[in-house]
Amino acid sequence: AQSVTQLDSHVSVSEGTPVLLRCNYSSSYSPSLFWYVQHPNKGLQLLLKYTSAATLVKGINGFEAEFKKSETSFHLTKPSAHMSDAAEYFCVVSEGAGTALIFGKGTTLSVSS
Amino acid sequence: NAGVTQTPKFRVLKTGQSMTLLCAQDMNHEYMYWYRQDPGMGLRLIHYSVGEGTTAKGEVPDGYNVSRLKKQNFLLGLESAAPSQTSVYFCASSPLDRGSWNEQFFGPGTRLTVL
Repeated sequence: AQSVTQLDSHVSVSEGTPVLLRCNYSSSYSPSLFWYVQHPNKGLQLLLKYTSAATLVKGINGFEAEFKKSETSFHLTKPSAHMSDAAEYFCVVSEGAGTALIFGKGTTLSVSS
Repeated sequence: NAGVTQTPKFRVLKTGQSMTLLCAQDMNHEYMYWYRQDPGMGLRLIHYSVGEGTTAKGEVPDGYNVSRLKKQNFLLGLESAAPSQTSVYFCASSPLDRGSWNEQFFGPGTRLTVL
């Protein structure tokens, strides 16, 4: 069975410092992996997705994630945080078309000036 | 393209009342899904559909029913609302194409409160 563990429920950074949001997954198959972002009282926006083409995936707004099969990890990073990055971030795993997305419980990112 | 739309955006119900949430997509996607989002729980799948006229249960189906009479619409019904169904409901859709890797496109959500 698939599962996703987001290792931190809350991460706080200062503006201009790096961001690291950690995610481990469990899957019986070769999964596709996603990071979604949700700003307060808003819907879900896709940041990036891993689909086996390349282990380092670049997304929108300067975010990227690296797929490490040996560690079953898919951590999200950004070199320099911006105030507008404050939001909730979800790591998500899927085993194929027409199946459920399995969401982690989310990491709230706070950015201080 | 409007993408995925949901109506209504907000609703307050009393315990025992019924209602239907409507999801519509204009991307000609085969698959559609209903999720609920609760604090600290991420999103959990309620029901889904792999095509017109077909539906299946997800992780948390109890107390909900769904119908997919038209390809572009997916309805979520609550026959007798309970306070435990207070949540934010998201609809999503995804294409049949295996190459899409199951990227799902989400609607803006419906915030439901059951008193």
